[in-house]
Amino acid sequence: KNEVEQSPQNLTAQEGEFITINCSYSVGISALHWLQQHPGGGIVSLFMLSSGKKKHGRLIATINIQEKHSSLHITASHPRDSAVYICAPPKGPTGTASKLTFGTGTRLQVTL
Amino acid sequence: NAGVMQNPRHLVRRRGQEARLRCSPMKGHSHVYWYRQLPEEGLKFMVYLQKENIIDESGMPKERFSAEFPKEGPSILRIQQVVRGDSAAYFCASSLLGGSFGNTIYFGEGSWLTVV
Repeated sequence: KNEVEQSPQNLTAQEGEFITINCSYSVGISALHWLQQHPGGGIVSLFMLSSGKKKHGRLIATINIQEKHSSLHITASHPRDSAVYICAPPKGPTGTASKLTFGTGTRLQVTL
Repeated sequence: NAGVMQNPRHLVRRRGQEARLRCSPMKGHSHVYWYRQLPEEGLKFMVYLQKENIIDESGMPKERFSAEFPKEGPSILRIQQVVRGDSAAYFCASSLLGGSFGNTIYFGEGSWLTVV
């Protein structure tokens, strides 16, 4: 069983739809990163969260540390949101970035 | 305040040659991480460095790969005698702190190595 499971692996949505990407992990006990990788390959860190919920623009991330589960939501999706979204919990207990493990990502395509 | 700068963005090497990938962290950041993304695979941690020190190299292949982060200048990931299986995207990231909560990491644009 993979240490980090994301679902769905691929997602196609129409512009304006509400999107949810889920992440379940078996490693780490602390914070988790959500990353965005664009078709050109560059990676952006969207969120680092250790509890509850964070919001940034149209993006919302939630985490349940006890259940080792996190979700990334995109409201009013737009074609520019098309990217691969990667969940990355740390392997160690201290939340160090060095021990990040990565899901294989969810490939999102938003169409007009 | 420039972000994490990686160069070259694309590098082609013949089998047996050496590849050197450079990473300049964000201004003020002294913690650098290297990750590798093989084709159609997820990111994998390689090495974590702080100025002049290797903190964690548990993800580095045992041979041919080395990394440094000197007191002055960028961090360098060096791959000697490259083989086709080294073809991948290599990402560098940096952070202000070395761990704990609230420690956002910032990624570079990546260096794509192709071994022919």
